[in-house]
Amino acid sequence: DQQVKQNSPSLSVQEGRISILNCDYTNSMFDYFLWYKKYPAEGPTFLISISSIKDKNEDGRFTVFLNKSAKHLSLHIVPSQPGDSAVYFCAASGGGSQGNLIFGKGTKLSVKP
Amino acid sequence: GAGVSQTPSNKVTEKGKYVELRCDPISGHTALYWYRQSLGQGPEFLIYFQGTGAADDSGLPNDRFFAVRPEGSVSTLKIQRTERGDSAVYLCASSPTGRSEPQHFGDGTRLSIL
Repeated sequence: DQQVKQNSPSLSVQEGRISILNCDYTNSMFDYFLWYKKYPAEGPTFLISISSIKDKNEDGRFTVFLNKSAKHLSLHIVPSQPGDSAVYFCAASGGGSQGNLIFGKGTKLSVKP
Repeated sequence: GAGVSQTPSNKVTEKGKYVELRCDPISGHTALYWYRQSLGQGPEFLIYFQGTGAADDSGLPNDRFFAVRPEGSVSTLKIQRTERGDSAVYLCASSPTGRSEPQHFGDGTRLSIL
């Protein structure tokens, strides 16, 4: 049973527009959430995180929103750039997992020039 | 280097053989994690070390898998009697304390069992 779900396998966006990637989770004990970006043949690269005590965290072009009541988080990228094209993974920890991360299956973002 | 280093980057071996995968974490990071990623999936947790001890090995699929971190730095993931289903990318990550903080990943070892 998947505890972290990314229901969109892929997303295509025009350069300069907003990219919105979504993630749902089922375990209400998760208290820390992260987004990673992954290029082919490379390891995941940390992008941004959010603690469950917050509902928004912003870092440059990247903003993560957390809706605890809906068990939903999203990553906004504004403006999107062709170099943002990659697979994005949502991950969560907490609830006794001792810090190990539970990942979604990823969403492949394509930003077209 | 400043990041997590994993060797080898690729490993091809025959079914039934023994393999060792190495991870050199970021200097000073006490927490070290192993994950496994299959095609089309996100990374799946295998084992977590805090210092020299395995704090959580609940993700290891069976007793053919074992990992050590004898001096609290470099870790080795060992797989005995490999099977074709073990083929995957094995990722290592480290973090400063093991609490709620980002984990930093290496580029992984792509293991192929023929």
